[in-house]
Formats: sequence, structure tokens, C-alpha cells
Amino acid sequence: SQQGEEDPQALSIQEGENATMNCSYKTSINNLQWYRQNSGRGLVHLILIRSNEREKHSGRLRVTLDTSKKSSSLLITASRAADTASYFCATDRSNFGNEKLTFGTGTRLTIIP
Amino acid sequence: DTGVSQDPRHKITKRGQNVTFRCDPISEHNRLYWYRQTLGQGPEFLTYFQNEAQLEKSRLLSDRFSAERPKGSFSTLEIQRTEQGDSAMYLCASSLVIYEQFFGPGTRLTVL
Repeated sequence: SQQGEEDPQALSIQEGENATMNCSYKTSINNLQWYRQNSGRGLVHLILIRSNEREKHSGRLRVTLDTSKKSSSLLITASRAADTASYFCATDRSNFGNEKLTFGTGTRLTIIP
Repeated sequence: DTGVSQDPRHKITKRGQNVTFRCDPISEHNRLYWYRQTLGQGPEFLTYFQNEAQLEKSRLLSDRFSAERPKGSFSTLEIQRTEQGDSAMYLCASSLVIYEQFFGPGTRLTVL
């Protein structure tokens, strides 16, 4: 079963704009991870945020985590055409970390040149 | 290339046939995972190994599915008596115990 739900399901923006995707989940977590998937290909790991962290940055990516609301957001700044992909959040609910990931249904991001 | 590799990348088979997929993880990673992804959905967990021990299996993994990791290195996923509902992308990932999972390119299975 899918624990996470990404919002919106699809997003189209102009190149150079910022893109924000949200993820909500249902149960307590050890960590939350964001992945990118280009059409029909494997997943690329973007960022991992642990349950005791509130914000992390990696290049043009900013991830926040609010465990009280059971939600996370992924911000991509200064978007590029190459950012066009599906983005998934994945939660790890194991006690010690990294037993299995439960993925959401994804946000399909399209960057318009 | 030192990433996770999967073979074959594409497999077309007829209903009722058996298929086997292989995954080679990143060499120092002791955990290996199998997921299945259908069109428009996120990946769903199937099973995972720590070294050669299979530690968890999803209820999605029916009796027709079996996975092995005989020497704690590569893994195989076999599907017996394939059904059309088995058509999906089968993804393998590997990790060190407490770090992020790295995914391979996947094996796309089509059952006719």
C-alpha cells in the first residue's frame, strides 16, 4: 500500500521558476527520502531527511519536514528543463532505518522552456 | 560504472512462462531490495536482504515469486507461471545499513 501522497499530482512551470511539491504520510517515520524518476527509468536519490531534522539543502533543492503534521515539501529553485521528471517521496518507518521504503504516487513535474 | 545494475533491461514473455531477473548491487552494500512499479504508481516494496539473509517479504510476493541472494552479492528474482498482472517494472536497490537506497535502471517485464 502507498503511504505517501504527493501534491500536486502534476505541475507545469516555466523554466527559471521555483517548483514546490508536498508529501503527506500517515504513520511515524525514521526518515523521509525524495527521489526523481525520468520517464520509464530508475530512481535517482535526491535527499534524505531524518525525523529529528526540520530542513535540509542540497544544491537547488530544499526539503522540509514537519513530523507534527506528517508532511514534507521539496522545493526546486531556478528550475531547468532537465528537472522535468516524476518526483516521489518515500518514507522509512523502520526502527533502525533502511529496511524498506514506502513510496507515494508521485508528482509529475514539467518544465516549459 | 559502479552503480546498481540489472539484467535484462526488458523481458517479454508469454503467460505461464517462468522468468528470472538479476541484480548486481554496489559492491560494498550489504542490503539489497526488490520493488515493483506499475504505470503511474510509485514503487512497491517486495523483499529485502541483508547479506544473504532474506529479512522481509511483502504480501505482494506470492508463492510464484522467489528471491535469492546466495553469497550476499548479486540477487535473482524469479517469477513462475507468469500472469498478465505481473507486467511491471522490477526495480532493485542496494544500500549500506543506515544510508539511502540506490536504485538500478529496472527490468521492464511484459507478459503477453
